[in-house]
Amino acid sequence: DVKVTQSSRYLVKRTGEKVFLECVQDMDHENMFWYRQDPGLGLRLIYFSYDVKMKEKGDIPEGYSVSREKKERFSLILESASTNQTSMYLCASLPVQGIRPQHFGDGTRLSIL
Amino acid sequence: GESVGLHLPTLSVQEGDNSIINCAYSNSASDYFIWYKQESGKGPQFIIDIRSNMDKRQGQRVTVLLNKTVKHLSLQIAATQPGDSAVYFCAENIPGSSASKIIFGSGTRLSIRP
Repeated sequence: DVKVTQSSRYLVKRTGEKVFLECVQDMDHENMFWYRQDPGLGLRLIYFSYDVKMKEKGDIPEGYSVSREKKERFSLILESASTNQTSMYLCASLPVQGIRPQHFGDGTRLSIL
Repeated sequence: GESVGLHLPTLSVQEGDNSIINCAYSNSASDYFIWYKQESGKGPQFIIDIRSNMDKRQGQRVTVLLNKTVKHLSLQIAATQPGDSAVYFCAENIPGSSASKIIFGSGTRLSIRP
Protein backbone atom coordinates (compact mmCIF):
# COMPACT_ATOMS: atom_id res chain seq x y z
CA ASP A 1 0.00 0.00 0.00
CA VAL A 2 1.14 3.51 -0.83
CA LYS A 3 1.77 5.63 2.22
CA VAL A 4 1.77 9.41 2.10
CA THR A 5 2.80 10.89 5.42
CA GLN A 6 2.31 14.49 6.44
CA SER A 7 4.50 15.46 9.35
CA SER A 8 1.90 17.35 11.39
CA ARG A 9 -1.82 16.71 11.85
CA TYR A 10 -2.43 20.06 13.56
CA LEU A 11 -0.35 23.21 13.51
CA VAL A 12 -0.93 26.65 15.02
CA LYS A 13 1.23 29.54 13.86
CA ARG A 14 1.20 33.30 14.06
CA THR A 15 0.71 35.86 11.32
CA GLY A 16 3.98 36.66 9.58
CA GLU A 17 5.72 33.44 10.52
CA LYS A 18 7.41 31.26 7.92
CA VAL A 19 5.68 27.87 7.98
CA PHE A 20 6.90 24.55 6.60
CA LEU A 21 4.58 21.64 5.86
CA GLU A 22 6.32 18.37 5.06
CA CYS A 23 5.13 15.40 3.04
CA VAL A 24 6.85 12.08 2.40
CA GLN A 25 5.72 9.22 0.14
CA ASP A 26 7.17 5.72 0.12
CA MET A 27 6.27 4.46 -3.36
CA ASP A 28 8.83 6.22 -5.56
CA HIS A 29 6.11 8.27 -7.26
CA GLU A 30 7.30 10.94 -9.64
CA ASN A 31 4.39 13.35 -9.13
CA MET A 32 3.55 15.07 -5.88
CA PHE A 33 0.89 17.68 -5.14
CA TRP A 34 -0.15 20.17 -2.48
CA TYR A 35 -3.83 21.10 -2.12
CA ARG A 36 -5.80 23.14 0.31
CA GLN A 37 -9.30 22.09 1.26
CA ASP A 38 -11.87 24.60 2.43
CA PRO A 39 -15.56 23.94 3.16
CA GLY A 40 -17.71 24.09 0.06
CA LEU A 41 -14.78 24.72 -2.27
CA GLY A 42 -13.31 21.28 -2.83
CA LEU A 43 -9.61 20.67 -3.23
CA ARG A 44 -7.66 23.47 -4.86
CA LEU A 45 -4.21 22.85 -6.27
CA ILE A 46 -1.44 25.04 -4.88
CA TYR A 47 1.67 23.53 -6.46
CA PHE A 48 2.76 20.26 -7.96
CA SER A 49 6.06 18.65 -8.84
CA TYR A 50 6.72 16.03 -11.51
CA ASP A 51 10.36 15.38 -10.62
CA VAL A 52 13.09 16.31 -8.18
CA LYS A 53 13.77 20.06 -8.22
CA MET A 54 10.88 20.59 -10.65
CA LYS A 55 7.75 22.51 -9.67
CA GLU A 56 4.70 23.93 -11.36
CA LYS A 57 2.18 26.44 -10.08
CA GLY A 58 -1.32 25.23 -9.53
CA ASP A 59 -4.48 27.31 -9.34
CA ILE A 60 -3.71 29.23 -6.13
CA PRO A 61 0.08 29.54 -5.70
CA GLU A 62 0.11 33.08 -4.25
CA GLY A 63 1.70 33.21 -0.81
CA TYR A 64 3.19 29.74 -1.13
CA SER A 65 6.36 28.12 -2.41
CA VAL A 66 7.53 24.52 -2.56
CA SER A 67 10.70 22.49 -2.39
CA ARG A 68 11.48 19.04 -3.83
CA GLU A 69 15.08 18.17 -3.09
CA LYS A 70 14.46 14.42 -2.89
CA LYS A 71 11.99 12.32 -4.83
CA GLU A 72 10.13 11.14 -1.73
CA ARG A 73 9.75 14.53 -0.04
CA PHE A 74 7.70 17.56 -1.06
CA SER A 75 7.57 20.60 1.19
CA LEU A 76 5.07 23.44 1.18
CA ILE A 77 6.28 26.79 2.49
CA LEU A 78 4.17 29.71 3.62
CA GLU A 79 6.63 32.56 3.29
CA SER A 80 4.76 34.93 5.62
CA ALA A 81 1.66 33.29 7.02
CA SER A 82 -1.62 35.17 6.93
CA THR A 83 -4.99 34.40 8.53
CA ASN A 84 -6.55 33.60 5.14
CA GLN A 85 -4.16 30.66 4.88
CA THR A 86 -5.91 28.92 7.75
CA SER A 87 -7.06 25.71 6.09
CA MET A 88 -6.66 21.96 5.73
CA TYR A 89 -3.62 21.14 3.59
CA LEU A 90 -3.45 17.84 1.75
CA CYS A 91 -0.46 16.26 0.05
CA ALA A 92 -0.84 13.64 -2.68
CA SER A 93 1.39 11.50 -4.87
CA LEU A 94 0.91 9.77 -8.22
CA PRO A 95 3.03 7.56 -10.44
CA VAL A 96 3.71 8.96 -13.88
CA GLN A 97 2.65 5.90 -15.87
CA GLY A 98 -0.96 5.39 -16.77
CA ILE A 99 -4.12 7.03 -15.55
CA ARG A 100 -4.48 6.33 -11.85
CA PRO A 101 -5.94 7.89 -8.71
CA GLN A 102 -3.83 10.07 -6.48
CA HIS A 103 -2.86 8.83 -3.01
CA PHE A 104 -3.45 11.34 -0.24
CA GLY A 105 -1.98 11.95 3.17
CA ASP A 106 -4.24 12.56 6.17
CA GLY A 107 -3.82 16.30 6.00
CA THR A 108 -2.44 19.09 8.16
CA ARG A 109 -4.99 21.40 9.74
CA LEU A 110 -3.19 24.73 9.92
CA SER A 111 -4.46 27.65 11.96
CA ILE A 112 -2.88 31.08 11.57
CA LEU A 113 -3.60 33.40 14.49
CA GLY B 1 -32.20 9.53 -2.14
CA GLU B 2 -30.00 11.59 -4.44
CA SER B 3 -27.84 14.60 -3.96
CA VAL B 4 -25.60 16.81 -6.07
CA GLY B 5 -22.05 16.97 -4.84
CA LEU B 6 -21.29 20.63 -5.42
CA HIS B 7 -22.18 22.52 -2.24
CA LEU B 8 -21.54 19.89 0.45
CA PRO B 9 -25.15 18.93 0.93
CA THR B 10 -26.01 16.10 3.27
CA LEU B 11 -27.60 12.85 2.25
CA SER B 12 -29.23 10.94 5.09
CA VAL B 13 -30.07 7.28 4.52
CA GLN B 14 -31.35 4.44 6.63
CA GLU B 15 -28.83 1.77 7.51
CA GLY B 16 -29.23 -1.07 5.04
CA ASP B 17 -30.70 1.08 2.27
CA ASN B 18 -28.88 1.95 -0.93
CA SER B 19 -27.24 5.37 -1.28
CA ILE B 20 -26.86 7.33 -4.49
CA ILE B 21 -24.51 10.28 -4.63
CA ASN B 22 -24.37 12.41 -7.75
CA CYS B 23 -21.75 14.60 -9.36
CA ALA B 24 -21.96 16.94 -12.32
CA TYR B 25 -18.59 17.32 -14.00
CA SER B 26 -17.41 20.24 -16.03
CA ASN B 27 -15.49 19.19 -19.13
CA SER B 28 -16.66 16.98 -21.98
CA ALA B 29 -13.01 16.13 -22.72
CA SER B 30 -12.51 14.51 -19.29
CA ASP B 31 -11.25 10.98 -19.78
CA TYR B 32 -11.10 9.55 -16.27
CA PHE B 33 -13.20 9.92 -13.14
CA ILE B 34 -12.59 8.99 -9.53
CA TRP B 35 -14.71 8.77 -6.41
CA TYR B 36 -13.08 9.44 -3.06
CA LYS B 37 -14.30 8.92 0.49
CA GLN B 38 -13.08 11.23 3.23
CA GLU B 39 -13.76 10.33 6.84
CA SER B 40 -13.51 12.89 9.59
CA GLY B 41 -9.88 13.72 10.37
CA LYS B 42 -8.50 11.70 7.48
CA GLY B 43 -7.35 12.27 3.94
CA PRO B 44 -9.36 11.28 0.87
CA GLN B 45 -9.38 7.56 0.19
CA PHE B 46 -9.85 6.10 -3.29
CA ILE B 47 -13.07 4.12 -3.72
CA ILE B 48 -13.58 3.44 -7.41
CA ASP B 49 -12.70 4.90 -10.78
CA ILE B 50 -14.00 4.74 -14.33
CA ARG B 51 -12.61 5.66 -17.71
CA SER B 52 -14.63 7.65 -20.21
CA ASN B 53 -14.94 4.67 -22.58
CA MET B 54 -17.11 2.91 -20.00
CA ASP B 55 -20.52 3.75 -18.60
CA LYS B 56 -20.58 1.48 -15.57
CA ARG B 57 -18.10 -0.10 -13.22
CA GLN B 58 -18.72 -2.20 -10.15
CA GLY B 59 -16.69 -2.81 -7.06
CA GLN B 60 -17.45 -4.33 -3.71
CA ARG B 61 -20.84 -2.80 -2.71
CA VAL B 62 -20.14 0.23 -4.92
CA THR B 63 -21.08 1.04 -8.50
CA VAL B 64 -20.13 4.07 -10.54
CA LEU B 65 -22.28 5.16 -13.46
CA LEU B 66 -21.11 7.60 -16.10
CA ASN B 67 -23.42 9.51 -18.42
CA LYS B 68 -21.26 11.49 -20.81
CA THR B 69 -24.25 12.95 -22.63
CA VAL B 70 -25.20 15.06 -19.63
CA LYS B 71 -21.76 15.05 -17.96
CA HIS B 72 -23.03 13.22 -14.91
CA LEU B 73 -21.41 10.73 -12.58
CA SER B 74 -23.02 8.80 -9.76
CA LEU B 75 -21.83 6.58 -6.94
CA GLN B 76 -24.15 3.90 -5.67
CA ILE B 77 -23.45 2.23 -2.34
CA ALA B 78 -25.42 -0.94 -1.67
CA ALA B 79 -26.66 -1.85 1.81
CA THR B 80 -25.26 1.27 3.45
CA GLN B 81 -23.46 0.66 6.74
CA PRO B 82 -22.48 3.00 9.61
CA GLY B 83 -18.86 2.84 8.39
CA ASP B 84 -19.95 4.48 5.15
CA SER B 85 -20.52 7.78 6.96
CA ALA B 86 -18.14 10.25 5.33
CA VAL B 87 -17.86 13.00 2.74
CA TYR B 88 -17.79 11.65 -0.81
CA PHE B 89 -16.45 13.64 -3.72
CA CYS B 90 -15.76 13.05 -7.35
CA ALA B 91 -12.79 14.09 -9.45
CA GLU B 92 -12.38 14.40 -13.20
CA ASN B 93 -9.16 14.18 -15.17
CA ILE B 94 -8.94 16.64 -18.06
CA PRO B 95 -6.16 15.68 -20.46
CA GLY B 96 -3.89 18.41 -21.73
CA SER B 97 -1.06 18.81 -24.21
CA SER B 98 1.58 18.98 -21.51
CA ALA B 99 -0.11 17.76 -18.36
CA SER B 100 -3.51 16.60 -17.17
CA LYS B 101 -5.61 18.68 -14.83
CA ILE B 102 -7.68 17.16 -12.05
CA ILE B 103 -10.82 18.98 -10.89
CA PHE B 104 -12.45 17.98 -7.61
CA GLY B 105 -16.05 18.41 -6.58
CA SER B 106 -16.78 19.86 -3.17
CA GLY B 107 -18.44 16.73 -1.89
CA THR B 108 -21.59 15.29 -0.34
CA ARG B 109 -21.80 14.29 3.28
CA LEU B 110 -23.41 10.88 3.78
CA SER B 111 -24.95 10.24 7.18
CA ILE B 112 -26.49 6.94 8.24
CA ARG B 113 -29.63 6.64 10.37
CA PRO B 114 -29.70 3.55 12.61
